[in-house]
Amino acid sequence: GQNIDQPTEMTATEGAIVQINCTYQTSGFNGLFWYQQHAGEAPTFLSYNVLDGLEEKGRFSAFLSRSKGYSYLLLKELQMKDSASYLCALWRDKIIFGKGTRLHILP
Amino acid sequence: EAQVTQNPRYLITVTGKKLTVTCSQNMNHEYMSWYRQDPGLGLRQIYYSMNVEVTDKGDVPEGYKVSRKEKRNFPLILESPSPNQTSLYFCASGGRDTQYFGPGTRLTVL
Repeated sequence: GQNIDQPTEMTATEGAIVQINCTYQTSGFNGLFWYQQHAGEAPTFLSYNVLDGLEEKGRFSAFLSRSKGYSYLLLKELQMKDSASYLCALWRDKIIFGKGTRLHILP
Repeated sequence: EAQVTQNPRYLITVTGKKLTVTCSQNMNHEYMSWYRQDPGLGLRQIYYSMNVEVTDKGDVPEGYKVSRKEKRNFPLILESPSPNQTSLYFCASGGRDTQYFGPGTRLTVL
């Protein structure tokens, strides 16, 4: 199976840093996606990790460790518009999503 | 502009009345897929296609059909919709390292 676990909700403060974790159990996959989804909207692509390590894209960074079955999304300098759900997904042939982490940003 | 389009965006129908949701992409992507999103269950893949005339079941294919006769189009067909297919549906297309979603179709089956 490909169970993917993420915290259901997190809260952070504007201007701070937050780390959203994603753990999984799978026998193999091509890569791991992170998406952002605002309520009522389509998911938007944030990152895709194939190799272990950290990929940085502006305020957002995504880390993958295949040996540990673990990924995280790091959001820096949080802004109110970052209030959204963050989805982790594994791509083999199918794409399997975690249930997402709803991030609340407080002023 | 690179995009994935879906139609209709909203649909209310009755049990048993066949319907098709269209999906089209203009990015020449080989991989296309359909998802449904339900509260508490997250996004679940219904079907995917790795290229023209190649389709495979995702995690929740029961009650759905798809076809991929052309690279750009990937329609989702509900032959006999039932109320448990009331959901928000997303089409997506992707290359080797990304995936773009359409705007979504909110379907209600009465």
